[in-house]
Amino acid sequence: EVRLLESGGGLVQPGGSLRLSCAVSGFTFKTYAMSWVRQTPGRGLEWVSSISSAGSNTYYADSVKGRFSISRDNSKNTLYLHMNSLRVEDTAIYYCAKRLTTSHPGADFDYWGQGTLVTVSS
Amino acid sequence: QSALTQPASVSGSPGQSITISCTGTTSDVGAYDYVSWYQQHPGKAPQLMIYDVSNRPSGVSNRFSGSKSGNTASLTISGLQAEDEADYYCTSYTSSNTRYVFGPGTRVTVL
Repeated sequence: EVRLLESGGGLVQPGGSLRLSCAVSGFTFKTYAMSWVRQTPGRGLEWVSSISSAGSNTYYADSVKGRFSISRDNSKNTLYLHMNSLRVEDTAIYYCAKRLTTSHPGADFDYWGQGTLVTVSS
Repeated sequence: QSALTQPASVSGSPGQSITISCTGTTSDVGAYDYVSWYQQHPGKAPQLMIYDVSNRPSGVSNRFSGSKSGNTASLTISGLQAEDEADYYCTSYTSSNTRYVFGPGTRVTVL
């Protein structure tokens, strides 16, 4: 059974930092690109960042570029999102998601974690 | 503001068919057959219902179908059931700096 389990969310002050983790099981982690997607009540779903299967290519939404960093440890089956200079507008539920296919950069996230809540507030 | 446009709400009676549209641009929906649709029930993670415009993942009911014409993709739910009441999001790969763009979501209500 495929499982994705996020952790690391919490309350942080503006300008602070957090590291989210996503521990996966049930599939060959090193084969698939992975992504982080966040959700807020006011803005719906927003793609945040993606990383290739080997970790050599990373991609970021303009809203987080320069502040967030995605990484992965294929030996530990774990995906990370390092978040710096956090802003109030980064408050959201953060989901990690697995790609379905490996042959093209489609928007096909077939498995999602349960999400971890990040609240940025003073 | 989302890069893709969806109606805020769509409703239908049990057994009817409904269609949700998703309009993008020549940089995303119109350029690639990489449109996906997600269903999300309250308090749950999104679930992939359609990928690559019209493909259904294993386990998804064949009552769900997808299509695309030009810059607009569509999700059709036939034989509407109470369990289909949820939010539906479209997303597309894009050639812009943002790799993926989501629509704002459509609330489907079963009357």
